[in-house]
Amino acid sequence: GAVVSQHPSRVICKSGTSVKIECRSLDFQATTMFWYRQFPKQSLMLMATSNEGSKATYEQGVEKDKFLINHASLTLSTLTVTSAHPEDSSFYICSARAAGLRSQETQYFGPGTRLLVL
Amino acid sequence: AQSVAQPEDQVKVAEGNPLTVKCTYSVSGNPYLFWYVQYPNRGLQFLLKYITGDNLVKGSYGFEAEFNKSQTSFHLKKPSALVSDSALYFCAVMGVLNTGFQKLVFGTGTRLLVSP
Repeated sequence: GAVVSQHPSRVICKSGTSVKIECRSLDFQATTMFWYRQFPKQSLMLMATSNEGSKATYEQGVEKDKFLINHASLTLSTLTVTSAHPEDSSFYICSARAAGLRSQETQYFGPGTRLLVL
Repeated sequence: AQSVAQPEDQVKVAEGNPLTVKCTYSVSGNPYLFWYVQYPNRGLQFLLKYITGDNLVKGSYGFEAEFNKSQTSFHLKKPSALVSDSALYFCAVMGVLNTGFQKLVFGTGTRLLVSP
């Protein structure tokens, strides 16, 4: 149980284009989903927190107009990197926290998406 | 503010020997503590957590961790290491945001290398 998927696993795009990454909780409903960014050999940096049906809460220094987050249902959140540039190249990881009484404190992570902007 | 320290960038151990990966934390109130493991180019896999109760927590793949309140530590341990345990290990502590959501704060990670 508690499986989170991400799609795509890897994407290469040209500078200036937009890229959408999907995060799905496969066997549970997620009230809250999180988006992280991880640079090589570094820890995870929280970008934003999203609750189903409401606007995402962005961490300080993260541009909300550049990283658009939509949490349209209890099993799906999307991150869109708009007008991507080479400095946006990174490993993006989502996580989800379960609704109801089931281990609300535990976050389950997706496998990550490697973005390379040329 | 919550913080997590993993003082060792890398831990090397021979297969079959016990391993310890260290973690100390700072948090207001009672801590929720977690260990995650990351294999190359993959997301994080949940290993174990401490919320309350018994200080010794057992998790996946034979790992365990001991919560020590006086030393504010939550070291990860395994009695007998396997080569397949080689990976990047993250300790994390649960904090509280102004919005009321609980924010997970990660340490910088410790790379475990288990030699045959």
